[in-house]
Amino acid sequence: DQQVKQNSPSLSVQEGRISILNCDYTNSMFDYFLWYKKYPAEGPTFLISISSIKDKNEDGRFTVFLNKSAKHLSLHIVPSQPGDSAVYFCAAEKTSGSRLTFGEGTQLTVNP
Amino acid sequence: KAGVTQTPRYLIKTRGQQVTLSCSPISGHRSVSWYQQTPGQGLQFLFEYFSETQRNKGNFPGRFSGRQFSNSRSEMNVSTLELGDSALYLCASSLTEGVNTEAFFGQGTRLTVV
Repeated sequence: DQQVKQNSPSLSVQEGRISILNCDYTNSMFDYFLWYKKYPAEGPTFLISISSIKDKNEDGRFTVFLNKSAKHLSLHIVPSQPGDSAVYFCAAEKTSGSRLTFGEGTQLTVNP
Repeated sequence: KAGVTQTPRYLIKTRGQQVTLSCSPISGHRSVSWYQQTPGQGLQFLFEYFSETQRNKGNFPGRFSGRQFSNSRSEMNVSTLELGDSALYLCASSLTEGVNTEAFFGQGTRLTVV
């Protein structure tokens, strides 16, 4: 039962354009959401997070949007840079537990 | 300060063997979680340890086990290895076991079962 889903295994964008990565979840108990970025041969690194009491969180070029009614969140990267090319994982957790539930990941490729 | 250290980085084992992976968390971090990453499956939660106690366990068979030592270092053991156990095993450490605590990942151990 995949409670966090990233339906796009890959995304390709041009440098300077916007990258939009999507994530859907099914468990309404999730109340904190995170995005991790992973380069080959490295562990995932934390990128940005959002609490369920918010609908938007911004950090530089990265913005995460949360639509609780649709159980959907998205990560926007503007402008996209070639160094952003990596696998992006969406993750969620519940207040009652500390384990992270991850999506399958989306491979982002930013072309120069 | 040093990050999360996982050893070994790469392992090749034969079906039926057992394997032990090690994780040293960031100094001062007391919570260690283990994840399995396979292509198309994302990161699947294995278990979490805090203060030498298993706090959470994912949906993996009993062949997967772990423990945490008093210095917060953790080991994960897989017995009677199967081909499907080939994966990247990631360890993450965090300061506490509470939610909204950023987890820091190690580089992982790439296990190949032949």
